[in-house]
Amino acid sequence: QVQLVESGGGVVQPGRSLRLSCVASEFAFSRYPMYWVRQFPGKGLEWVAVISYHEGSQQWYGDSVQGRFSISRDNSRNTLYLQMNSLRIEDTAVYYCAREMSGGGSLAFDVWGQGTMVIVSS
Amino acid sequence: QSVLTQPPSASGTPGQRVTISCSGGSSNIGKNYVYWYQQFPGTAPKLLIYKTDQRPSGVPDRFSGSKSGTSASLAISGLRSDDEADYYCATWDDSLLRVFGGGTKLTVL
Repeated sequence: QVQLVESGGGVVQPGRSLRLSCVASEFAFSRYPMYWVRQFPGKGLEWVAVISYHEGSQQWYGDSVQGRFSISRDNSRNTLYLQMNSLRIEDTAVYYCAREMSGGGSLAFDVWGQGTMVIVSS
Repeated sequence: QSVLTQPPSASGTPGQRVTISCSGGSSNIGKNYVYWYQQFPGTAPKLLIYKTDQRPSGVPDRFSGSKSGTSASLAISGLRSDDEADYYCATWDDSLLRVFGGGTKLTVL
């Protein structure tokens, strides 16, 4: 079935880096803009980054991660990535990858992964 | 603290109609579509409403969305026990781009 599966989360010290992956299956991955959305321990949701469909030539980032995080995609591997550098304690969250629904608008995420936990702690 | 304000909690009894509000401003809800998500503990959010009042395939028509000025609402009619979940609104904001509300925990009494 249509599915997104994240991996790469874990415990990391402040200032270090981590790379998350999200593997897509059973849909034409390259045709969709893809997102990373995170959920803080207090349950608030925050969009992190988005990459355009096809070659992913355009990326946009939330203010809190701009300049530290980088989103990319490898359509040959049906995989979305999030490179997280200079991690801060406040980056601690569950990170979800999500697909933008065709025709739904830029906040219509119709497929989500199960999430991967990132804990930034010394 | 989000630019979109939702009540932290809401409640209703089975069969009742409940509404959850999402208050914003002229730079977000006032000029853009609103989206609603439902989330059960330990699971990813699920899209309930897109483009303010549209339901994705598979979402029951008990769920409806609307907007008036700088506020939006999610209405749930014929409340069921399995509607007990967290609900989030989201929209585009001129400055912050995509923003989510703080979420509302719905309890079915």
